[in-house]
Amino acid sequence: QKEVEQNSGPLSVPEGAIASLNCTYSDRVSQSFFWYRQYSGKSPELIMSIYSNGDKEDGRFTAQLNKASQYVSLLIRDSQPSDSATYLCAVNPYSGGYQKVTFGTGTKLQVIP
Amino acid sequence: GAVVSQHPSRVICKSGTSVKIECRSLDFQATTMFWYRQFPKQSLMLMATSNEGSKATYEQGVEKDKFLINHASLTLSTLTVTSAHPEDSSFYICSARASVGEVGQYFGPGTRLTVT
Repeated sequence: QKEVEQNSGPLSVPEGAIASLNCTYSDRVSQSFFWYRQYSGKSPELIMSIYSNGDKEDGRFTAQLNKASQYVSLLIRDSQPSDSATYLCAVNPYSGGYQKVTFGTGTKLQVIP
Repeated sequence: GAVVSQHPSRVICKSGTSVKIECRSLDFQATTMFWYRQFPKQSLMLMATSNEGSKATYEQGVEKDKFLINHASLTLSTLTVTSAHPEDSSFYICSARASVGEVGQYFGPGTRLTVT
């Protein structure tokens, strides 16, 4: 079982719709969770971090964490064509200190105009 | 804030030569820097982790004598690909962690290496 699992997609949504990206992780002690956006040929860009159960909202993005289910998701409201990218889920076992972050393989999102 | 730069952005070299890639944190001091490699349509692969002033920790399967990492200061880490071969052609990305209490990583723009 992979440590961090994501559906590779592509996930296609129409412009203006809500895109829902999901990620599961295997290590129960994981404490820190991140979503990165990576455009083709570019490096990843940190867009959201979440540490506690529940929802965290930032603009059109909402991260949702459920540690009991070992599940983290990213919702993108009012999806735009510029949101088309690969979204990487990343998990860190601790909330502080040096630890290696584990990345999922990413979900490719396509927003159709 | 939290800007990471890489140089060069793109390099083409001949097989057998060495290439140095620089990674700099521009507006913060990076206690830890990471080097990744990404092949087309594949995920990030962590190559090594370096802490300022100490030897890098390499991931399993990564040759430390081939991929030399130096983290001489809190704002600069370098990756040298020695005796490069065409199979080393890839997208090399560094990232930096701002402080001990910060776990998010900020990525540099990446370096596209092509070995001919």
